[in-house]
Amino acid sequence: AQSVTQLDSHVSVSEGTPVLLRCNYSSSYSPSLFWYVQHPNKGLQLLLKYTSAATLVKGINGFEAEFKKSETSFHLTKPSAHMSDAAEYFCVVSDHQAGTALIFGKGTTLSVSS
Amino acid sequence: GAGVSQTPSNKVTEKGKYVELRCDPISGHTALYWYRQSLGQGPEFLIYFQGTGAADDSGLPNDRFFAVRPEGSVSTLKIQRTERGDSAVYLCASSLTGPRLAGNEQFFGPGTRLTVL
Repeated sequence: AQSVTQLDSHVSVSEGTPVLLRCNYSSSYSPSLFWYVQHPNKGLQLLLKYTSAATLVKGINGFEAEFKKSETSFHLTKPSAHMSDAAEYFCVVSDHQAGTALIFGKGTTLSVSS
Repeated sequence: GAGVSQTPSNKVTEKGKYVELRCDPISGHTALYWYRQSLGQGPEFLIYFQGTGAADDSGLPNDRFFAVRPEGSVSTLKIQRTERGDSAVYLCASSLTGPRLAGNEQFFGPGTRLTVL
């Protein structure tokens, strides 16, 4: 069975400092992994995706994530936070051999202070 | 270009009533998905359409929930005899082809917030 665990429900950082949002996954097959961002009253937007190519994946707005199979992790990072990064972030797994749905984590709320 | 749109953006209804939620996918996208997001949770899968047919409805919670996509484009999620526990944001997404292609991206609409009083 597939599952995703986001290890922090809330992360607070200061503007200009690094961001780390942690995610562990469980999947029976080779998964596709995604990070989505959700700003208030807006639709979910794809930040980046991993699909068994390069293990370090670069996304939009300076975010990147590294797929580590040995640790079953897919943590999201950004070197320097901006105020506009404040939002809800979801780690998502898709096991397209086993199922058709995206499986979402519970989300991490990122707060950025000035 | 136009993204996924959903109407209404907000729906307030009374317990026991019937509601319909509409989704307009991106033009040309053959796959359409419905998810439900409860407060403080991530979205949960409800149903997936490939063309006009429901290819996977394993996420529908019970037989009060039903969805159609008669012409392979617009979809309607129908909820009968609504209950307070149905209150949530209902999200629709579409993708160019089916989900079994690695990394196929789903584009999400803004959602319909359903409140059952």
